[in-house]
Amino acid sequence: AQKITQTQPGMFVQEKEAVTLDCTYDTSDPSYGLFWYKQPSSGEMIFLIYQGSYDQQNATEGRYSLNFQKARKSANLVISASQLGDSAMYFCAMRPNSGNTPLVFGKGTRLSVIA
Amino acid sequence: GAGVSQSPRYKVTKRGQDVALRCDPISGHVSLYWYRQALGQGPEFLTYFNYEAQQDKSGLPNDRFSAERPEGSISTLTIQRTEQRDSAMYRCASSLGGGLPYEQYFGPGTRLTVT
Repeated sequence: AQKITQTQPGMFVQEKEAVTLDCTYDTSDPSYGLFWYKQPSSGEMIFLIYQGSYDQQNATEGRYSLNFQKARKSANLVISASQLGDSAMYFCAMRPNSGNTPLVFGKGTRLSVIA
Repeated sequence: GAGVSQSPRYKVTKRGQDVALRCDPISGHVSLYWYRQALGQGPEFLTYFNYEAQQDKSGLPNDRFSAERPEGSISTLTIQRTEQRDSAMYRCASSLGGGLPYEQYFGPGTRLTVT
């Protein structure tokens, strides 16, 4: 079984600053994928970034990067140069790489960007 | 291109009535997933399909819940004899599948309210 833990219910960040959203995970699968999704107040779920457990480099997508520390079982999301539009719920999720199994989500972190 | 669509977007029903929630995945996507999301929580897995075959229904809360995807495309989640505790956002997602860790694309969800 997999488990995702997001310990920060809410975070504040000043516009243009960087922010790190924490995510730790637990799994017995040898190969797995880690995902981050953004959910703005409109309710949609927007895929942000993916990290494979065997990827040698940390994933990056524009202003988003994933700080993957396999030994610590952490997959923190870093948002650089925060914008007001980044205010949203952020969910960390994972699933094994075998098969098309569903995602297991954390409880989420609400990020508020302050002008 | 068209994303995942769900209908209805909002459904209010009286306790004891049956409801059917529809999901139309992205064309060509093999895998289709149903999740339920309570307010302030991450999505929780209900069931998923590869093509028309239901792979896992272990997340369905009880036997009032059922799902089908008869032609490997559109899926219907049916809740019989609805109860107030069934009120939630029901989300559908699809992915390319093929055993690789492709991201899942989420639909806008159906907000179900049981009165």
